[in-house]
Amino acid sequence: GENVEQHPSTLSVQEGDSAVIKCTYSDSASNYFPWYKQELGKRPQLIIDIRSNVGEKKDQRIAVTLNKTAKHFSLHITETQPEDSAVYFCAAVINTDKLIFGTGTRLQVFP
Amino acid sequence: SQTIHQWPATLVQPVGSPLSLECTVEGTSNPNLYWYRQAAGRGLQLLFYSVGIGQISSEVPQNLSASRPQDRQFILSSKKLLLSDSGFYLCAWRDRGLETQYFGPGTRLLVL
Repeated sequence: GENVEQHPSTLSVQEGDSAVIKCTYSDSASNYFPWYKQELGKRPQLIIDIRSNVGEKKDQRIAVTLNKTAKHFSLHITETQPEDSAVYFCAAVINTDKLIFGTGTRLQVFP
Repeated sequence: SQTIHQWPATLVQPVGSPLSLECTVEGTSNPNLYWYRQAAGRGLQLLFYSVGIGQISSEVPQNLSASRPQDRQFILSSKKLLLSDSGFYLCAWRDRGLETQYFGPGTRLLVL
């Protein structure tokens, strides 16, 4: 069936460094790829998304890149801050109505 | 603006007891609605989704069921809870014309 793989499962960086999280998807028909941030005990919150008609999107310190040929997409966080510490989930739309989520990456930013 | 509510926020139930979790959305019409479960420290598992009143698609066969009695109301139920039903239950909605899903605050369920 359709799936989304996400790596790494945990990521520790020093404050100010960059963090990169990578995902691959299986359904070549997927055309929408959101990223969610989930702080401890809270709901997932959308932080950025990308559609298949673009290769890159940026919003301040956060950027997402998409390689449709390789079925890869990545989240890039620059100048990380302690408040970036959270679990990040990638997802890909399946059959228009559904999102399939990756398994999550726990990001820790040390001061 | 649109808001999504879930209740209760937390729930402790004995094994074998029934369950009813409610989700309502305000400020939109005819949304797609979703139920997810998140086990402790794990990812998001899609349980059910609905594209309209009375229309339910089940993703994972189990002892849970869902219903959509009104356009903006989505209910998750069980007749007899299992220990493995413990988790964080998240409702989400999506505008029919857009792809983005937005999550409710969640219900934390502990089955003892």
